[in-house]
Amino acid sequence: GNSVTQMEGPVTLSEEAFLTINCTYTATGYPSLFWYVQYPGEGLQLLLKATKADDKGSNKGFEATYRKETTSFHLEKGSVQVSDSAVYFCALSEYTGKLIFGQGTTLQVKP
Amino acid sequence: EADIYQTPRYLVIGTGKKITLECSQTMGHDKMYWYQQDPGMELHLIHYSYGVNSTEKGDLSSESTVSRIRTEHFPLTLESARPSHTSQYLCASGLAGGVTDTQYFGPGTRLTVL
Repeated sequence: GNSVTQMEGPVTLSEEAFLTINCTYTATGYPSLFWYVQYPGEGLQLLLKATKADDKGSNKGFEATYRKETTSFHLEKGSVQVSDSAVYFCALSEYTGKLIFGQGTTLQVKP
Repeated sequence: EADIYQTPRYLVIGTGKKITLECSQTMGHDKMYWYQQDPGMELHLIHYSYGVNSTEKGDLSSESTVSRIRTEHFPLTLESARPSHTSQYLCASGLAGGVTDTQYFGPGTRLTVL
C-alpha cells in the first residue's frame, strides 16, 4: 500500500540555520504531495503542496519539489526562525482524496 | 483561510460517559474526516464521509461512531468513554475532487477520560 516516511526528530536548529526535513513516499499511480504544519495546541495547516512531478510548492519561505525519480518531497527553508518551531507532516493523497501521513517531525529553533 | 470548527477544544470526562465531539465547516465541502492523533503525534484516520448520509470507517479501528445528516456537520460520538479513548481528535474537510484535494483541518479536541 501507499506510505510516507519522514526523518525522525526532533530536529534542533539555531535561528537563521538552513532546514531540511526529508520525506520519501511509496505510491501507485500519481499522488499529490503535501506538507502540513502543526503549531502547539492547534490543528494542522497546509504549508504547501505539489500535484505532479517536478512541481515545486512554496510558502512562507519553505519549499519542496516533487521528485518522482527519487520518490521524495523534502522540505527546505533557507533561514529558520523561532516561530517556525512546530511539528511538520509530509502526506500524499490517494485517488480517493484520502491522505496518508508520515509520522511527523518536530522542529525546535533556538534563538 | 479555512472555516472549520470543533467544539469543545478541551474535554475532561469520567469513564462510562457518553460524549459527542462537534465538527462544522462553512465551506460547503462534501468530504469530511476524523483523525485520532496519539501522543507520538502520528495521525490515524478513524472515519470519513463523502457526503450526506455517507459514512465509512477509516484505517484505524475505533469504538466511536459518526453521522452526516447535514453537509456542514460531522459529529463524532463515544457511547461509553474509557481511558483508552484519551487522545487528540482532529476533524478535516475537502472538496469532492480527487488526488489533488486539499484537506482543511479544525483546531482539534483534546479529550481526557479519567
